Amino acid sequence: SAVISQKPSRDICQRGTSLTIQCQVDSQVTMMFWYRQQPGQSLTLIATANQGSEATYESGFVIDKFPISRPNLTFSTLTVSNMSPEDSSIYLCSVGRGTETGELFFGEGSRLTVL
Amino acid sequence: GQNIDQPTEMTATEGAIVQINCTYQTSGFNGLFWYQQHAGEAPTFLSYNVLDGLEEKGRFSSFLSRSKGYSYLLLKELQMKDSASYLCAVSDSNYQLIWGAGTKLIIKP
Repeated sequence: SAVISQKPSRDICQRGTSLTIQCQVDSQVTMMFWYRQQPGQSLTLIATANQGSEATYESGFVIDKFPISRPNLTFSTLTVSNMSPEDSSIYLCSVGRGTETGELFFGEGSRLTVL
Repeated sequence: GQNIDQPTEMTATEGAIVQINCTYQTSGFNGLFWYQQHAGEAPTFLSYNVLDGLEEKGRFSSFLSRSKGYSYLLLKELQMKDSASYLCAVSDSNYQLIWGAGTKLIIKP
């Protein structure tokens, strides 16, 4: 298994500001994933963070709004830029054993409330 | 389009058995996952099925029928701590996980 630490665990933010979420893993992993989970909703993949290359974004998510860094194999950040109340959500960092059969391990999540 | 369907909410009694169903329509199939998510916490992995049949792991079992696009999670001897949301997710032909909205399970004494 992997131990994933995320911070902040929660924050209250003002409209128009940006917030960076950090994700630290206790072992080296190739792929890290950033998910969003809005209240009562399913998990939605924002992007896949690859070390040494640009993140791969899913439909509906763009780099200007959700810039991602992946400086090494154990760390990644997700920034939520120019926030609006619609960005209020739980943001989850995740890593997997591999793409084929591996389950995902999740960080504790970062609960953002935008006023 | 790709779609995962599971009931929104279920209620069961402590000590009883409950079955949570999941049906899916995806472009390709590379396995089905069940995750448990307690309120305010991150999802944790429960099971993985890629072949038809039943996988048993303690009080929890997961069943898959690929021809029917159907799975269920069976929880036996329910305990109060089993109150949580249960998420069904399918890995499609690109190994992308497609998530259901989750089933909130309420356990009553």
